[in-house]
Amino acid sequence: DIQMTQSPSSLSASVGDRVTITCQASQDISNYLNWYQQKPGKAPKLLIYDASNLETGVPSRFSGSGSGTDFTFTISSLQPEDIATYYCQQYDNLGLTFGGGTKVEIK
Amino acid sequence: QLQLQESGPGLVKPSETLSLTCTVSGGSISSSSYYWGWIRQPPGKGLEWIGSIYYSGSTYYNPSLKSRVTISVDTSKNQFSLKLSSVTAADTAVYYCAEQITMVRGVISNYFDYWGQGTLVTVSS
Repeated sequence: DIQMTQSPSSLSASVGDRVTITCQASQDISNYLNWYQQKPGKAPKLLIYDASNLETGVPSRFSGSGSGTDFTFTISSLQPEDIATYYCQQYDNLGLTFGGGTKVEIK
Repeated sequence: QLQLQESGPGLVKPSETLSLTCTVSGGSISSSSYYWGWIRQPPGKGLEWIGSIYYSGSTYYNPSLKSRVTISVDTSKNQFSLKLSSVTAADTAVYYCAEQITMVRGVISNYFDYWGQGTLVTVSS
């Protein structure tokens, strides 16, 4: 099984700050890595697919990068509406696995 | 706009079988471009993929749940269903169904773009 280690598990930042979340795979997954945003009581929402592709309609302050085992998700300027939990998700020939999540709060 | 809606009992007794159905509207479940997946989330915890199905009936499951999971599709009703047997309290979760993209412009991909609102299933006697 490929394990996904997402960090940090939570963070607190000010409006306008740059926020970075990382996801590390236990083995090479090429660019098979996606990022989701989940607000309380809601279904997850796709933000980034295949490591760096911005889903249609998603604000450009969200971005993703990386390949192989190390991936980064960035919010360039944190907004109040970005308060949520963010998950990475990988896929391989055995299926799909989510990271543990990162809860983002406003300082 | 594609919409998905989960339905089924909100309370299941331990050792029994959990059964949920996802109804797809605004699009055809028989599209060759998509799989259809089930994901769950225990209260206060993270997301876990359960399994996925193609309109032809081809399935693949999370290895940790495979022995207890069956996913089926009914193209005439534009629905797909989940059965999870021998449930315990650990299976208490919000269960989501979702459209799963597996190819983008001829390149392999694998992500969930449209999700249902989720339904809470509690396992308790």
